[in-house]
Amino acid sequence: QQPVQSPQAVILREGEDAVINCSSSKALYSVHWYRQKHGEAPVFLMILLKGGEQKGHDKISASFNEKKQQSSLYLTASQLSYSGTYFCGTQRATGNQFYFGTGTSLTVIP
Amino acid sequence: DAGVTQSPTHLIKTRGQQVTLRCSPKSGHDTVSWYQQALGQGPQFIFQYYEEEERQRGNFPDRFSGHQFPNYSSELNVNALLLGDSALYLCASSPAGHWNEQFFGPGTRLTVL
Repeated sequence: QQPVQSPQAVILREGEDAVINCSSSKALYSVHWYRQKHGEAPVFLMILLKGGEQKGHDKISASFNEKKQQSSLYLTASQLSYSGTYFCGTQRATGNQFYFGTGTSLTVIP
Repeated sequence: DAGVTQSPTHLIKTRGQQVTLRCSPKSGHDTVSWYQQALGQGPQFIFQYYEEEERQRGNFPDRFSGHQFPNYSSELNVNALLLGDSALYLCASSPAGHWNEQFFGPGTRLTVL
């Protein structure tokens, strides 16, 4: 039931782009994205509620394909501050439970 | 505006003991969810409280129980602690009517020896 994220880890140089994928085997109602830095609590980035919806702020955006039960997080022109572990969180079409994904460690180097 | 606060920050217990963790939600938030995050893993949903009642529960044994007070603050109780209960316990609060937007507190690091 836990969503699977890919890749597990990625290393970028400043300015490069990255895509993180989140895939669920269950029908989804919403997908959330969080970033967690070492020793800190997860920070809410965005939530996507509808199939095909795309959102973004600053240089981070995401899409949600409801039919495929997949979401992707796009990081453009990465900055050092983007480093951390990214988790998708999914809410199924039935029930209020959240399932966090397996996580993707992203490291941005100068 | 204070964010989500949790206490204590760190806690060390021994096997078999009981522990109570506390959470105060953000102002205007009425829903509180609790998560367990083991080292290197993603948060695992324990349960969610709304209007002082448990609304949803994850796959955790009955040793894990909770409570929500009229002021929306919440407690997580764990009885008969096991070594495997060692983890970061996160509380997340959600605004009224938007329970799927979660704002996390800093967590309580529980170590069971």
